Amino acid sequence: QVQLQESGPGLMKPSETLSLTCTVSGGSISTYFWIWIRQPAGKGLEFIGRVHTSGNTNYSPSFKGRVSMSVDSSKNQFSLKLTSVTAADSAIYYCARCLRSYDSFSRYSYYFDSWGQGTLVTVSS
Amino acid sequence: QSVLTQPPSVSAAPGQKVIISCSGSSSNIGNNYVSWYQHLPGSAPRLLIYDNDKRPSGIPDRFSGSKSGTSATLAITGLQTGDEADYFCASWDSSLSAAMFGGGTKLTAL
Repeated sequence: QVQLQESGPGLMKPSETLSLTCTVSGGSISTYFWIWIRQPAGKGLEFIGRVHTSGNTNYSPSFKGRVSMSVDSSKNQFSLKLTSVTAADSAIYYCARCLRSYDSFSRYSYYFDSWGQGTLVTVSS
Repeated sequence: QSVLTQPPSVSAAPGQKVIISCSGSSSNIGNNYVSWYQHLPGSAPRLLIYDNDKRPSGIPDRFSGSKSGTSATLAITGLQTGDEADYFCASWDSSLSAAMFGGGTKLTAL
């Protein structure tokens, strides 16, 4: 069973760039999609985006212009960068493995079979 | 406010059956597949159901999923105290081009 572990700064100041890394163990990072999701305190989960080991990315429109993701296959890691953070970016950030496909009717199957435990990011001056 | 709507909480006695609903629209549940997750705070969420009604290996058959139209349900039979957790649904939204989640349902075994 693949395991994921997020790592990041914990506490940040407004306007800084958030950098998070997810380390994958127990399996190869290759050929999969990997995603970032966050959960602000008291709110639901929010999809940030996904990255494939080919480098292909797809970001939620809510974050476009501020987000970038990348994969380092040599380290079995993938990462998230979010620029110009504000207090609204304070949340628990999760990384997960995404299994994605669509059927002959163009219906998307999109689910997450392995997750990290999450890392709390607080943005405060 | 989450795009997929779940009841904030449900409860049932141990041994009973509980059903958690997840309501969406034609751009997500209505035309894409649904997955369900169990989440204990401080731990990694766990995949319970994918593609509306499929269970990954290792998930007991006490957990089952179904979908009808723009709504989906997760059923848990033979409720155990160890099932107390938050449960949330997810589906791709073709209009928003993003995965959408329910707000989560807290399950209590009375």
